[in-house]
Amino acid sequence: GAVVSQHPSWVICKSGTSVKIECRSLDFQATTMFWYRQFPKQSLMLMATSNEGSKATYEQGVEKDKFLINHASLTLSTLTVTSAHPEDSSFYICSASEELAETYNEQFFGPGTRLTVL
Amino acid sequence: LAKTTQPISMDSYEGQEVNITCSHNNIATNDYITWYQQFPSQGPRFIIQGYKTKVTNEVASLFIPADRKSSTLSLPRVSLSDTAVYYCLVGDQGNTDKLIFGTGTRLQVFP
Repeated sequence: GAVVSQHPSWVICKSGTSVKIECRSLDFQATTMFWYRQFPKQSLMLMATSNEGSKATYEQGVEKDKFLINHASLTLSTLTVTSAHPEDSSFYICSASEELAETYNEQFFGPGTRLTVL
Repeated sequence: LAKTTQPISMDSYEGQEVNITCSHNNIATNDYITWYQQFPSQGPRFIIQGYKTKVTNEVASLFIPADRKSSTLSLPRVSLSDTAVYYCLVGDQGNTDKLIFGTGTRLQVFP
């Protein structure tokens, strides 16, 4: 099946630094990738949708200058949390959809990245 | 967007059948119903998808009545490893592929 990886799986950083999270589709070309954030005991919240070669579409309330998304190829999207603060500590999950997927609108999720900002 | 409503939590014992119902009164004609499973500190995993009537795979069954305003995920003979959060999602009415997750149902299976 389609596999999506994320790197790193966890990261701890100091307040004010920037953190980059990578999302890769390992065995398929992802026309669209999505970024979610999940706080403890809560549901996933969609942050943005990115298509290869174009600017990401951010959901309402998500600061595009703080959460920089780059989708440079059909297998890689990156999320950079700029000037991270403790309130940005969360579980970040990416997903990818395959243009030729047999199941309508199925997304393949990465294992997530746990970000802790001190 | 079609909003979904699910029970917040459910308890069960090993070997029992578990049915989780999801309400989606505003489902659109072109929308599909999809269920995902999420274990702690992992990304969600696709379980099953359907449009109408009944769909069955090796993991679960999905029952959808004729009016499609609700759906029921059925997990036969659950085990401890089925303890997870289960999300019911309805396809975006537009042409985008984004998924909007609701609260999900936290299923706890006891021995």
